[in-house]
Amino acid sequence: QVQLQESGPGLVKPSETLSLTCSVSGAPISDYLWTWIRQTPGERPEWIGHISHSGSTNYNPFLESRVTMSLDSSRYQFSLKLRSVTAADTAVYYCARGRGQIVFDYWGPGILLTVSS
Amino acid sequence: DIQMTQSPPSLSASVGDRVTITCQASQDISDSLNWYQQKPGKPPKVLIYDASSLEIGVTLKFRGSGSGTHFTLTINSLQPEDVATYYCQQYDSLPYTFGQGTRLEI
Repeated sequence: QVQLQESGPGLVKPSETLSLTCSVSGAPISDYLWTWIRQTPGERPEWIGHISHSGSTNYNPFLESRVTMSLDSSRYQFSLKLRSVTAADTAVYYCARGRGQIVFDYWGPGILLTVSS
Repeated sequence: DIQMTQSPPSLSASVGDRVTITCQASQDISDSLNWYQQKPGKPPKVLIYDASSLEIGVTLKFRGSGSGTHFTLTINSLQPEDVATYYCQQYDSLPYTFGQGTRLEI
């Protein structure tokens, strides 16, 4: 049974750095793209980026200047750092597994991140 | 970025009905399209991948079709548990993008 679980603070102050971790169980780290997606309530999901098992990354150009993703294969975890957050970054953040060409076939339950002083 | 436009934005139907949701891409994406179902407070769940392939474990009542710029998701024999928002998502080119969603009510 593949499971993903996000963890991190629920509240971050403006201008600070958001750090989230996704723990993966039931699946190998290889052969997939480990992905972060966020969603503001009532809006469409927004792809943030992904990281492969080799550490290769692709980011959404809209966020690329503020995003860093990393992968710790030995711990079956991957992480997201988003710098200089503003209220516009308030959203539910999901980690997901990208399979094949790409389809997001497994998702974490999501973590609500609020940016507020 | 490739823009994905869904219609209608919302849809009301009755139990047992068949409904169709459309998704239009701003450029040719071949069959690089997935469909997801999202219920309140839950992450999206994949229904269809590669435009017309049914995800393992998903009921045959869901059917996807289309290629190029025009795609459809058909849901047969509507049931109360189908109440959700449905999203299309393209993976032809980065950044991957989603449609704005179609809210289905029964």
